[in-house]
Amino acid sequence: GEDVEQSLFLSVREGDSSVINCTYTDSSSTYLYWYKQEPGAGLQLLTYIFSNMDMKQDQRLTVLLNKKDKHLSLRIADTQTGDSAIYFCAERSSSASKIIFGSGTRLSIRP
Amino acid sequence: DAGVTQSPTHLIKTRGQHVTLRCSPISGHKSVSWYQQVLGQGPQFIFQYYEKEERGRGNFPDRFSARQFPNYSSELNVNALLLGDSALYLCASSLEVTVGQFFGPGTRLTVL
Repeated sequence: GEDVEQSLFLSVREGDSSVINCTYTDSSSTYLYWYKQEPGAGLQLLTYIFSNMDMKQDQRLTVLLNKKDKHLSLRIADTQTGDSAIYFCAERSSSASKIIFGSGTRLSIRP
Repeated sequence: DAGVTQSPTHLIKTRGQHVTLRCSPISGHKSVSWYQQVLGQGPQFIFQYYEKEERGRGNFPDRFSARQFPNYSSELNVNALLLGDSALYLCASSLEVTVGQFFGPGTRLTVL
């Protein structure tokens, strides 16, 4: 079946890089997403990658996709206090209308 | 340009009641999806509508229904509310069915 898994917590020091990992099971996944949710807010689409890509970079964000292992990661360079949030990995197959979300990784920043 | 808007922001109901949640997509977006997010979990897909037609339905009981209007806004209806329906209900819009979705701030529903 379809499943997306993430670790629940990550704590990093301000200025360091954060790497949030995700695994998924649906081999027909075509689109893979990273969303950010701040307390009391909706979800903000950070970036997405097509399954035929290995990497995508957007300013401080780098997404790596290992399709063989069904592993997706989000790297945030120079992590700032404003990056504190819950980060959701999500996937969608080209034939499906729904996006499947992981349970989210709570990123906390240490001074 | 306004993002996805939802109303109301918060709602308190009692068991057995009915609720209607509303969503207005980003201008030009024709697809609207609804998700339920229980505290501590990721969003769960409920429905997707495109051009006023249902394009997908998640594993939710028939107490949940939705519709999309000619102006692409949407309503989610939940009948016979249960305590377990307490959640953040998120609406998302997109240009078409398969591209990235943009979420609204959500409606926090509490069922007592």
